[in-house]
Amino acid sequence: KQEVTQIPAALSVPEGENLVLNCSFTDSAIYNLQWFRQDPGKGLTSLLLIQSSQREQTSGRLNASLDKSSGRSTLYIAASQPGDSATYLCAATLDTDKLIFGTGTRLQVFP
Amino acid sequence: ETGVTQTPRHLVMGMTNKKSLKCEQHLGHNAMYWYKQSAKKPLELMFVYSLEERVENNSVPSRFSPECPNSSHLFLHLHTLQPEDSALYLCASSQGSRTDTQYFGPGTRLTVL
Repeated sequence: KQEVTQIPAALSVPEGENLVLNCSFTDSAIYNLQWFRQDPGKGLTSLLLIQSSQREQTSGRLNASLDKSSGRSTLYIAASQPGDSATYLCAATLDTDKLIFGTGTRLQVFP
Repeated sequence: ETGVTQTPRHLVMGMTNKKSLKCEQHLGHNAMYWYKQSAKKPLELMFVYSLEERVENNSVPSRFSPECPNSSHLFLHLHTLQPEDSALYLCASSQGSRTDTQYFGPGTRLTVL
């Protein structure tokens, strides 16, 4: 059974810091790995999708990496801003189109 | 939020009520999903529809009944719910391929009294 774990559960950093969010999954047979952002009380916004054949994806200040063999993905946020404050979720896609989500990392960036 | 919309945004209902949640996607996608998000738990997939056919029912109690009349609309009919069913219910859509990104609606915050 695929399980997805995110560490840390919560993170508070000053503005401008570079930070790394971690995601680990137990079964390496995934089709892709996605990172989402969720603002309080709202739906999810897709940030980055890494196909199983890829090692990383970049979008602006965000960079996500994938290491299937070790069952790990990281989301790197450069030069963090208060507007980055949100919960970040990773999700692994299984062969049935089913997404298995982690419990998320709640990020707060203070001025 | 114009890609995937959900109504209502908030719903309070008693255990004997019957209500429905509505989801509409304007993206031309072929697959739609219902998820449940409870406090401090991972998102749980409830139902998957592909080309209007239910392809997955993830052991959801029968008090939740989905309906997909066409590829743009998805409903979740609720009846005789329990307080533990209180959660954020999220709808999503995708092109259908296992490699495609899912686009989420804003969710319906459901409270069962």
